[in-house]
Amino acid sequence: EVVLTQSPATLSLSPGERATLSCRASQSVSRFLAWYQQKPGQAPRLLIYDTSKRATGIPARFSGSGSGTDFSLTISSLEPEDFAVYFCQQRSDWPPYTFGQGTKLEIK
Amino acid sequence: QVQLQESGPGLVKPSGTLSLTCAVSGGSITSSNWWSWVRQSPGKGLEWIGEIYPSGSTIYTPSLNSRVTISLDKSKNHFSLSLSSVTAADTAVYYCARGIQFARGYFDYWGQGTLVTVSS
Repeated sequence: EVVLTQSPATLSLSPGERATLSCRASQSVSRFLAWYQQKPGQAPRLLIYDTSKRATGIPARFSGSGSGTDFSLTISSLEPEDFAVYFCQQRSDWPPYTFGQGTKLEIK
Repeated sequence: QVQLQESGPGLVKPSGTLSLTCAVSGGSITSSNWWSWVRQSPGKGLEWIGEIYPSGSTIYTPSLNSRVTISLDKSKNHFSLSLSSVTAADTAVYYCARGIQFARGYFDYWGQGTLVTVSS
């Protein structure tokens, strides 16, 4: 099973700042990695798939990069609604599809 | 706009069977998508349980394979989860989700989730 490790666990930033979240895989997942955003009481929302492709309706300030075992999600300029928990997820080696443990992006 | 809605008992007794249904609206369950169940607990985070295709083909996560069954009812446009021999470790919020048609294994639509507590 592919283990995804996200860092940092918590990231404290201010609106307007740039956020970079990391996800490391225990083995190569090629580019088969997605990012989700989750707000309290809500289901996860797909942001990015296949490392860098934005899902429908996702603003251009969200971007993804990486390959193999190291990936990142960048939010170029934080909006108030971006403060949430972010998860990475792989579909390269399954079953099972696996998720990271999450990074909480909080307002500084 | 596709919508998914989970339903089922919020409380299940230990050693019992957890049964949930996911109603799909705004789209057909017979479309070329895989339909999944995912759960989330404080201790284990997000955990994919399994998926089903309109043909009836299923794939389950190995750790739950002996206890889980996912089925599909085309006439009702819904799919279901059954998890047997539950323990407190199965307490979680359970989500149903749709896999992206051209990128199986990513989930573009989710239900709002339903909390299932295993307790006597």
